Amino acid sequence: NAGVTQTPKFRVLKTGQSMTLLCAQDMNHEYMYWYRQDPGMGLRLIHYSVGEGTTAKGEVPDGYNVSRLKKQNFLLGLESAAPSQTSVYFCATSERLTGGLSSYEQYFGPGTRLTVT
Amino acid sequence: QQQVKQSPQSLIVQKGGISIINCAYENTAFDYFPWYQQFPGKGPALLIAIRPDVSEKKEGRFTISFNKSAKQFSLHIMDSQPGDSATYFCAATPYSSASKIIFGSGTRLSIRP
Repeated sequence: NAGVTQTPKFRVLKTGQSMTLLCAQDMNHEYMYWYRQDPGMGLRLIHYSVGEGTTAKGEVPDGYNVSRLKKQNFLLGLESAAPSQTSVYFCATSERLTGGLSSYEQYFGPGTRLTVT
Repeated sequence: QQQVKQSPQSLIVQKGGISIINCAYENTAFDYFPWYQQFPGKGPALLIAIRPDVSEKKEGRFTISFNKSAKQFSLHIMDSQPGDSATYFCAATPYSSASKIIFGSGTRLSIRP
């Protein structure tokens, strides 16, 4: 039972390059999230998904796109990387409770450290 | 807009001492207040959480104190140990939107042996 996994663990990009971060979960959770973590800023929500085939914008969505074609996977894409996107990216999941709401507890992956030069 | 303010940014405590981290929130719709613990190179993990219907919750050496009227809550770590050295995030969310947790800016805690 791996929980939440993220690939890659590290990546260096040049400005303007594109890449996709993959999040995979084996907990059968409905909700999935992408956060970025920057010093002194805590965790900020980029995009999230409440189920397969659905996505929604979070607090800081600009410059990112996401897709959830399969329940267990949530992809985060950077079409044209900028130095401001240098950050640590975390994927998280949570359960859907009876009634459709999300459980309060989120389970985080180990993170991807991205540097854009 | 930062809706959850956390302090201090960093904290050094002697082994055996009490570590205290404070948070304040603005949105009165928040009704779930978790604390997450993050070790270097790892993702955050839920440590302890509280609902506003109680003023205190204790789990082992970790206690959350909650003051609804002041819109403040704090984490107390009793008998702090070197293994407690980590970054701690307070957070808040409304029940109706538990998928949208608002995190504080984090506190880096170091416990000196």
